[in-house]
Amino acid sequence: DGGITQSPKYLFRKEGQNVTLSCEQNLNHDAMYWYRQDPGQGLRLIYYSQIVNDFQKGDIAEGYSVSREKKESFPLTVTSAQKNPTAFYLCASSPQAGHITDTQYFGPGTRLTVL
Amino acid sequence: RKEVEQDPGPFNVPEGATVAFNCTYSNSASQSFFWYRQDCRKEPKLLMSVYSSGNEDGRFTAQLNRASQYISLLIRDSKLSDSATYLCVVNAPSGAGSYQLTFGKGTKLSVIP
Repeated sequence: DGGITQSPKYLFRKEGQNVTLSCEQNLNHDAMYWYRQDPGQGLRLIYYSQIVNDFQKGDIAEGYSVSREKKESFPLTVTSAQKNPTAFYLCASSPQAGHITDTQYFGPGTRLTVL
Repeated sequence: RKEVEQDPGPFNVPEGATVAFNCTYSNSASQSFFWYRQDCRKEPKLLMSVYSSGNEDGRFTAQLNRASQYISLLIRDSKLSDSATYLCVVNAPSGAGSYQLTFGKGTKLSVIP
């Protein structure tokens, strides 16, 4: 049963703490992405990775970090430097990044709340 | 001008009605287009891809007008289950031969019994 999984579904964090969101895919996709969605806003790209051990900043990378040590996994760390971390975080993957017919498929998301 | 612009709605329509959403994009070099559906507090799911002038899938029809730089989504015979937010997504060159998706903020549809 192929797909993208994200955990946890809900996450609560105290101010000043770093937290890591998990994203795993078994679709054999090369590219993976992290987006943030705020109420009434479109998806904004945080980071993306086209291949293992390589990743690029998106439009709003400040206060976030990622790693891509395995093709299947692309965890996102929300650091204490991120000023407004409360949001819905979505991970996506696509067969290959930056392609003209690129279609992305999303995981179920993690809803992060900073207390 | 926003890169991808949609009417936020909400569109409140009765069951069985036909409803159309428009989406405009600013980058004339955009090559491919998508409509995603997002239910409340869920992830976006791909509804339709549009690579040429249009695409049809059952009650759903997407049309592309490159000259005017807009994409439309038509839903015929609306069902209660069609209630969701519909995201317009555009794939445009981002430099060095690569492409990047840009998401609209979405149009909310509520189908009323």
